Amino acid sequence: QKEVEQDPGPLSVPEGAIVSLNCTYSNSAFQYFMWYRQYSRKGPELLMYTYSSGNKEDGRFTAQVDKSSKYISLFIRDSQPSDSATYLCAIPSRGSARQLTFGSGTQLTVLP
Amino acid sequence: EPEVTQTPSHQVTQMGQEVILRCVPISNHLYFYWYRQILGQKVEFLVSFYNNEISEKSEIFDDQFSVERPDGSNFTLKIRSTKLEDSAMYFCASSVGRGLEETQYFGPGTRLLVL
Repeated sequence: QKEVEQDPGPLSVPEGAIVSLNCTYSNSAFQYFMWYRQYSRKGPELLMYTYSSGNKEDGRFTAQVDKSSKYISLFIRDSQPSDSATYLCAIPSRGSARQLTFGSGTQLTVLP
Repeated sequence: EPEVTQTPSHQVTQMGQEVILRCVPISNHLYFYWYRQILGQKVEFLVSFYNNEISEKSEIFDDQFSVERPDGSNFTLKIRSTKLEDSAMYFCASSVGRGLEETQYFGPGTRLLVL
């Protein structure tokens, strides 16, 4: 079983839509969950991270973790064309933040 | 805002040749990393480096790979004898190194093409 699996997309939404991006993970010991955003021809940049279960909000972005189902989500409210990018979930492997295991990424396009 | 830089942005090489990919991490960061992303595939961890030695490495990071911090600013990834399957985007990253809740800052990547 893969450590991290992500909805492959691509996803195309109109401007202003609510976007839901999802990943599942296999190891119940994972505690930290991260979302990275990657624009075309750029390196990944950290968008948000959460620890354990629950929600974390930052502006239009909400990260959610459900440890009982091993499911993590990123919600984008009022999506903008500038949100068009690939979104990667990432989990530190082996209990350390030093070695990130990434999902395959979901390519999001927000249409004006 | 400080950022990780990488050179070159693109590198084309012949199979069997050695390549060195260069990175300048953020200046006060203590941990350095290399990741790679084969076209259409996931970003994969290769190696982490701290205090002038390898901290962790993945199965991908075999004997053909090596890392070095030759001076106070650069961090390099050497591939000794490149193979076709080494063609990928290589990302350098760095982090402060203070604990588990810390951000890895990624560079823009070097696109390596092995012919």
